[in-house]
Amino acid sequence: EIVLTQSPATLSLSPGERATLSCRASQSVSSYLAWYQQKPGQAPRLLIYDASNRATGIPARFSGSGSGTDFTLTISSLEPEDFAVYYCQQRSFFGPGTKVDIK
Amino acid sequence: QVQLVESGGGVVQPGRSLRLSCAASGFTFSSYGMHWVRQAPGKGLEWVAVIWYDGSNKYYADSVKGRFTISRDNSKNTLYLQMNSLRAEDTAVYYCARDHYGGFVAPDYYFDYWGQGTLVTVSS
Repeated sequence: EIVLTQSPATLSLSPGERATLSCRASQSVSSYLAWYQQKPGQAPRLLIYDASNRATGIPARFSGSGSGTDFTLTISSLEPEDFAVYYCQQRSFFGPGTKVDIK
Repeated sequence: QVQLVESGGGVVQPGRSLRLSCAASGFTFSSYGMHWVRQAPGKGLEWVAVIWYDGSNKYYADSVKGRFTISRDNSKNTLYLQMNSLRAEDTAVYYCARDHYGGFVAPDYYFDYWGQGTLVTVSS
């Protein structure tokens, strides 16, 4: 079983700032990792797959990097609509999420 | 456009059964693997089950194995989740989700389209 750990649990930032979210896997997952965004009352949305590929329609301010056990989701300049919870995922396992809220 | 619409949720007593449905449209349903993912109130996401594009393979989370059954009817573009022996800890919003990679191959476990979810509450 793979355990995904996300940090920080909460990230408090202002619009326009850069957000850096971390996901660590308990064993190597190569590049098989995805990131999702979820807003209250909504279904999750796929942002990144295969660690660094943006899903269809995802703005360029979202980028993913990493391989093996350490991964990063970067939002280059936060827009008001980006304040949400972000989950990393590897096959049947999800991380606990990072909440990005407004400072 | 791709649409997934879940139905069948509700309040059910512990030990009873419920069947969820997910009606798909806007894509070639028969060429995609499909998943169920759930989210308990205020909690994170939990993958539940996957079914191959042709129904030939099905896999489950340990937490539901032996109690839940995923199935599909490609002639009706519909995905199902039969939930038996329900427990309080099964209370959640249940989402159906399309696997990212179509093309009549094994799922890649990336979920690119999701339904709006249906709430299942297990309570006496």
